[in-house]
Order: sequence, then C-alpha cells, then structure tokens
Amino acid sequence: AQRVTQPEKLLSVFKGAPVELKCNYSYSGSPELFWYVQYSRQRLQLLLRHISRESIKGFTADLNKGETSFHLKKPFAQEEDSAMYYCALKGTGANNLFFGTGTRLTVIP
Amino acid sequence: GAVVSQHPSRVICKSGTSVKIECRSLDFQATTMFWYRQFPKQSLMLMATSNEGSKATYEQGVEKDKFLINHASLTLSTLTVTSAHPEDSSFYICSARAAGPNTEAFFGQGTRLTVV
Repeated sequence: AQRVTQPEKLLSVFKGAPVELKCNYSYSGSPELFWYVQYSRQRLQLLLRHISRESIKGFTADLNKGETSFHLKKPFAQEEDSAMYYCALKGTGANNLFFGTGTRLTVIP
Repeated sequence: GAVVSQHPSRVICKSGTSVKIECRSLDFQATTMFWYRQFPKQSLMLMATSNEGSKATYEQGVEKDKFLINHASLTLSTLTVTSAHPEDSSFYICSARAAGPNTEAFFGQGTRLTVV
C-alpha cells in the first residue's frame, strides 16, 4: 500500500531563514513524487516534480530512495511562501495522485 | 497553466436532495478527471477516476450509487451527490489532465457542500 507522510501540520519560520518541509513515502515500486502548493483562497497548483529536477520559486526537492523521502527545501524563506504544501505520490503506471496531509507554512516577517 | 473551472464554489442543500457539481477544463482536452474529497484539516482523498466516454473507477469505500460521476465530453465531468445527508458535507475538488504519461494534473477551485 502506498503512503505519504508529512509529519508537520504546522511550520513557522522567520523571513530569510531556511525552510524544510518533510515528506516521507512508502511504496513498493518506483513512484513519482510531487509537491503541490495552495496559497490562501487559491486552488491547488503544482510546485515541482522530482523528474523535472528543477528549482521553482527557490524551492528544491531531492528524491532520496534510501530514506524514502522527498523533502522540500528553500534556503531563504519569503513572506509570500506562506501557504499549504502537499506532498503527493503517483505510483508506477498509475493515473492518480496520492496526497499527504499537508503542512501549513507560515513565514514570519 | 491550464485552467480547470469547478461550479458551484459553494452549495447548501437540504437532506435528501441531490446536488450536481461541474468540472470543466477550459483550454485543454481532459481525457482523465479525478474527484477528491477533503475533510477539514485532512488530506485530499481520491474518490474516483473517470476517463472520457467510459465508466468511472471508484476507490474502495466510495459508493458509486451515491456519488454519480459522468464524464461525457473531453471538457466536462460532473459529480452528483444523490440523496445527500449531513455527513456528505465536505469540500469536493476535481482535477483534470490531458492524455499522455507525464501530463500535469490541474485542479479546480473546489466546491464546499453543506447539507442541512
């Protein structure tokens, strides 16, 4: 069975401080991992996916198969980063996404 | 990015009535659409996956006779909550993606259903 765990429901950091949102997964095959973000009063949108290996809005995430993790990191948090962040997994050959419970990030000015 | 429009954004209905929620892809052909349900402070739970022109595939524990899904065209899927009860009150979110193995899924803005 697949599982996505985001251990922190809430995370607060000061502006300019580094931020790391944790995501661990459980899946027997080779999954695709994603981070989605939901800003206040907006819809869910894709932030980044591990196969792209790119940095979006200063965020990066590396898939660590040994630790089964896909933590989201940014070296210097900005106020506009305050949002709800969801880690998601897509199984091999699957069509749908399986979501973690989300982490609400608050960046304190 | 592509736009997925969900309507209505909020609906209040009486127990026993049915409610229809629409999900439209505005600028792409959505061969696959997904319906999620989200309880307060919890994750999005996939209810069903629908492919255009075929029957929806429901996740375990989701009553297909209660949550009717129709995906009659490449731009429209509907979710009908039949004989709604207060426990059906929730936030329902649709997602749509075009054909292809790595196409991005775009999300609607969600529908807040309250059954009184």
